[in-house]
Amino acid sequence: GAVVSQHPSRVICKSGTSVKIECRSLDFQATTMFWYRQFPKQSLMLMATSNEGSKATYEQGVEKDKFLINHASLTLSTLTVTSAHPEDSSFYICSARDLQGSSYEQYFGPGTRLTVT
Amino acid sequence: AQKVTQAQTEISVVEKEDVTLDCVYETRDTTYYLFWYKQPPSGELVFLIRRNSFDEQNEISGRYSWNFQKSTSSFNFTITASQVVDSAVYFCALSLINFGNEKLTFGTGTRLTIIP
Repeated sequence: GAVVSQHPSRVICKSGTSVKIECRSLDFQATTMFWYRQFPKQSLMLMATSNEGSKATYEQGVEKDKFLINHASLTLSTLTVTSAHPEDSSFYICSARDLQGSSYEQYFGPGTRLTVT
Repeated sequence: AQKVTQAQTEISVVEKEDVTLDCVYETRDTTYYLFWYKQPPSGELVFLIRRNSFDEQNEISGRYSWNFQKSTSSFNFTITASQVVDSAVYFCALSLINFGNEKLTFGTGTRLTIIP
């Protein structure tokens, strides 16, 4: 089955520093990856859609200069939280769409829990 | 714009009881997918089912069953003979069948607790 990994699974950083989260499709190619954010006891909210080789499309209200997304290859997308603040503490989840698939199914990574102190 | 509503925020039932999780959706599109995901305490989303808007047949998978009714825009999920391992947050979600625009819209989730 399609597997998506995320690294790191947990990260604690100090306020003002930047953190990079990786999302990899391990056994398939993904032209499109999605980044979601989930605050405690809340739903998943789409942050941006990442397409390989082009700029990401951000949802309304998401600061593109703060959440930098790079989709450099068909198996890797990265999300960098720049100048992180405590309010950025959240659970970040990526998903990837299989290039060969026709079912539009998204495969989710295990998530990255970010804590900004 | 799409919207998914899960009116039940939290549900608690005693083990072996049946429980139904409600999901109501809104979309102007006629072609879409509906999903259910399970999120255990570990946080990882577990895919349960995808249903095409053209297929209104109900589905059963073991103790799980789904009732899709387009007339009421509902896609309810029933767990029969619940078990403690079913305790999790369950999300209903919708995506359009539109290449390049298949982003998921999630409901707010229902926290299900099965009491031993």
